[in-house]
Amino acid sequence: EAGVTQFPSHSVIEKGQTVTLRCDPISGHDNLYWYRRVMGKEIKFLLHFVKESKQDESGMPNNRFLAERTGGTYSTLKVQPAELEDSGVYFCASSQGGAGANVLTFGAGSRLTVL
Amino acid sequence: GQQLNQSPQSMFIQEGEDVSMNCTSSSIFNTWLWYKQEPGEGPVLLIALYKAGELTSNGRLTAQFGITRKDSFLNISASIPSDVGIYFCAGLSIYNQGGKLIFGQGTELSVKP
Repeated sequence: EAGVTQFPSHSVIEKGQTVTLRCDPISGHDNLYWYRRVMGKEIKFLLHFVKESKQDESGMPNNRFLAERTGGTYSTLKVQPAELEDSGVYFCASSQGGAGANVLTFGAGSRLTVL
Repeated sequence: GQQLNQSPQSMFIQEGEDVSMNCTSSSIFNTWLWYKQEPGEGPVLLIALYKAGELTSNGRLTAQFGITRKDSFLNISASIPSDVGIYFCAGLSIYNQGGKLIFGQGTELSVKP
């Protein structure tokens, strides 16, 4: 079974540019999450999709961040325009519905560096 | 917001030594999880704890869910070089279900052969 895959693994952009991160969850997992780790700090929740619907987006830092999950399969997280403080590792995770909802499988992360 | 305080931040130990790390919070959690992240990988679940007082082992790893539901520890016995990585505690509170985990800051473990 393929795990959670994320692309790109590393992106280096200039302040003010746009970056789009992609996540392919485990097939059949209804729940998809985005988390972020800024260097040296804790991993923080950004948002949660159930299928194509946003269940909880309370962790999104501001309106420069836009997440979508069209069709309830893969998800994208776009940062526009990027700022220096957006640098960090963005993790995607997925889980099954029902009793397995809290068992998250994480992807390897997308490292974003904003210069 | 809810926070988990994880300590120590880093550890440098000799192969064969035992390791202990812990997490505390001012809030109650009803699930405690311990993850390990290796370079270039995402966090991988090591142990999940669901009941106050629960003590669970996974090979050389042992974790406990504190009686007060506000803390947890992870012990690694007889460390080996492949134990190197960042260990994160994570909690799921009664107020935040559905996979919205609260993570600690991580403990970076280095093991010298």
